[in-house]
Amino acid sequence: AQSVTQLGSHVSVSEGALVLLRCNYSSSVPPYLFWYVQYPNQGLQLLLKYTSAATLVKGINGFEAEFKKSETSFHLTKPSAHMSDAAEYFCAVSGWAAQKLVFGQGTRLTINP
Amino acid sequence: DAGVIQSPRHEVTEMGQEVTLRCKPISGHDYLFWYRQTMMRGLELLIYFNNNVPIDDSGMPEDRFSAKMPNASFSTLKIQPSEPRDSAVYFCASSPRTGTNYGYTFGSGTRLTVV
Repeated sequence: AQSVTQLGSHVSVSEGALVLLRCNYSSSVPPYLFWYVQYPNQGLQLLLKYTSAATLVKGINGFEAEFKKSETSFHLTKPSAHMSDAAEYFCAVSGWAAQKLVFGQGTRLTINP
Repeated sequence: DAGVIQSPRHEVTEMGQEVTLRCKPISGHDYLFWYRQTMMRGLELLIYFNNNVPIDDSGMPEDRFSAKMPNASFSTLKIQPSEPRDSAVYFCASSPRTGTNYGYTFGSGTRLTVV
C-alpha cells in the first residue's frame, strides 16, 4: 500500500523568500514520486518527478525536490518565491506494478508582496 | 497532441436533471481516470479504466453516478439525477501505463454547479 502526507495545508511566504513544501510518503515498493501544481481554475500540471535516478530532481519554474529514502521524504523547494508561484501543490506516489497514483491532500501556497 | 480534452468547461444545471461530462484521453494512453475536486474533500478518485474496462469504481459516491468508456478515445461520467452536493470540479486524466514513472496528464476540468 502507498500513501502520501503533505505537512501543512496552507503555506505563506514573502516574495523572494525560500519556498519549502513538505511531503512524506509510505510505500512497500521503491517509489516513483511526483509534484503537481494547480493554478486557479486550471487542471493539475506536472512540476517534476523522481524516477529512481538522481535524488535531486529539477522541475519547471525553478522548483526542485530531493528524494531522501532514510526520511521517506520528497520536499519541494524554490530558492526565491515569485507572485506567480501562488497555487495549490500536490505530492503523489506510485511504484512498480502500482495501479494508480496516490495523491496527498494538497498545500495551498500564498505569496505575500 | 492536444492533451486530455474535457467538455463542457462549465455546466450549470437544476437539481434532478441528468448531467453528462465528457473526456477524450491522449491517443495511445491505456488508462483513464475520473477525479472530483471539492474544497471539503480535496481530490477524490472516482473510477478508472484500463483498455476501456472499468478496473476500480469504489470511489463512485452512489448509484446516481455512472461512467463508461465505449472506445479508447472517449469516456463519459453521468450523474442522474443530479443534486446540489454534486457541485464540484470534475477532472479526467490519462496515462500510458501505471506503476511507472510516467504519471498522469490531466484535463482542464469541468466545473459543475447544481442549483
